[in-house]
Amino acid sequence: QSALTQPASVSGSPGQSITISCTGTSSDVGGYNYVSWYQQHPGKAPKLMIYDVSHRPSGVSNRFSGSKSGNTASLTISGLQAEDEADYYCSSYTSSNTLEVFGTGTKVTVL
Amino acid sequence: EVQLVQSGAEVKKPGESLKISCQYSGYSFSTSWIGWVRQMPGKGLEWMGIIYPGDSDTRYTPSFQGQVTISADKSTNTAHLQWSSLKASDTAMYYCARLSSSGKLDPWGQGTLVTVSS
Repeated sequence: QSALTQPASVSGSPGQSITISCTGTSSDVGGYNYVSWYQQHPGKAPKLMIYDVSHRPSGVSNRFSGSKSGNTASLTISGLQAEDEADYYCSSYTSSNTLEVFGTGTKVTVL
Repeated sequence: EVQLVQSGAEVKKPGESLKISCQYSGYSFSTSWIGWVRQMPGKGLEWMGIIYPGDSDTRYTPSFQGQVTISADKSTNTAHLQWSSLKASDTAMYYCARLSSSGKLDPWGQGTLVTVSS
């Protein structure tokens, strides 16, 4: 069971939009509409930002959106703000017996 | 409010044993999977394994099979992660989280920092 592949880093200027990709296989990302995204600030626990590919939990800004095409899921942050600078991880339900697999993580830098 | 509260930071020596905990409140502990996640210093999130407290069904990712033991106590709504013989490479932050049927992890515990050093 291999980790999902994410770019190591993505950057953007305030107000811009950025997109983070998350590539898996037909056994995880491509096989289920169960992709989640987490934001982690330094020294903090991860926070759920998107679940079931494109759903936002209550309280999460609508600047965050998710989508999926084939074996690749994406997280888009629009209107980038300084507070969005953090690490982002995708995860997916998987057919393996442990049910879940994480992405490699992406560091988002606001220039 | 659904909450997971983890036990405090630990400093141990190589070869020592350790059991850390994750106490659940706010919903039925026995009806959802609880997962454990390792984050080594400066590194990403690693999925360690899961337990279903209702019937103690426990599963480990290959990297962690035989290295740790996951358990749960329904009477105290607590999940545990334990080591019989710690190594320096076990130094990390460990998180627990509730795993829903669709694979979302929410909520998360605040994390337990384990430091193993001679």
